[in-house]
Amino acid sequence: DTEVTQTPKHLVMGMTNKKSLKCEQHMGHRAMYWYKQKAKKPPELMFVYSYEKLSINESVPSRFSPECPNSSLLNLHLHALQPEDSALYLCASSHHKSGDQPQHFGDGTRLSIL
Amino acid sequence: GQQVMQIPQYQHVQEGEDFTTYCNSSTTLSNIQWYKQRPGGHPVFLIQLVKSGEVKKQKRLTFQFGEAKKNSSLHITATQTTDVGTYFCADSVAGKSTFGDGTTLTVKP
Repeated sequence: DTEVTQTPKHLVMGMTNKKSLKCEQHMGHRAMYWYKQKAKKPPELMFVYSYEKLSINESVPSRFSPECPNSSLLNLHLHALQPEDSALYLCASSHHKSGDQPQHFGDGTRLSIL
Repeated sequence: GQQVMQIPQYQHVQEGEDFTTYCNSSTTLSNIQWYKQRPGGHPVFLIQLVKSGEVKKQKRLTFQFGEAKKNSSLHITATQTTDVGTYFCADSVAGKSTFGDGTTLTVKP
């Protein structure tokens, strides 16, 4: 079991749909992350939030829009996605943003774009 | 994070054999983290190495950080079927984590 909860576990959507991925943690962590992972590849960092503020955006297309409503929640809003966006989307959290903090990952949302 | 190269990409072993994966960087790393991802699962943090020449052990797993802090290794002694999965090293600087490509371990019973 993971202490980072992601919903939904699976999502199938069309290219014109709007959907959101949700992530929640109650460990008091102040840094939260979104990663994209394609099959047989490592996780690729998308966004980092530190104290509810966007800290890092790894040049992610604007069809992905992150949001951090409070210190426990992280959302990823999706709109007009492309088939190549199909992947496992992982949320993670750590105590702080600094590099010496282990990251705790959720189970991920497996996203398929039709 | 900096680019980290990881080898081998795949390793198939007989249960009871040893296994090692290597992580290399062309530049000095501030620290190195190791994660394990089971098939269909999510990455799970194993350990972090910070000091030059550091060696840490977790039961059958031995982690090393090179003297120059440019390489690291994970060694598993006497593999078991529960060790299957992909092992990633990761360089993390100011929250920006860069994962190696991973080594996928399969264990034949």
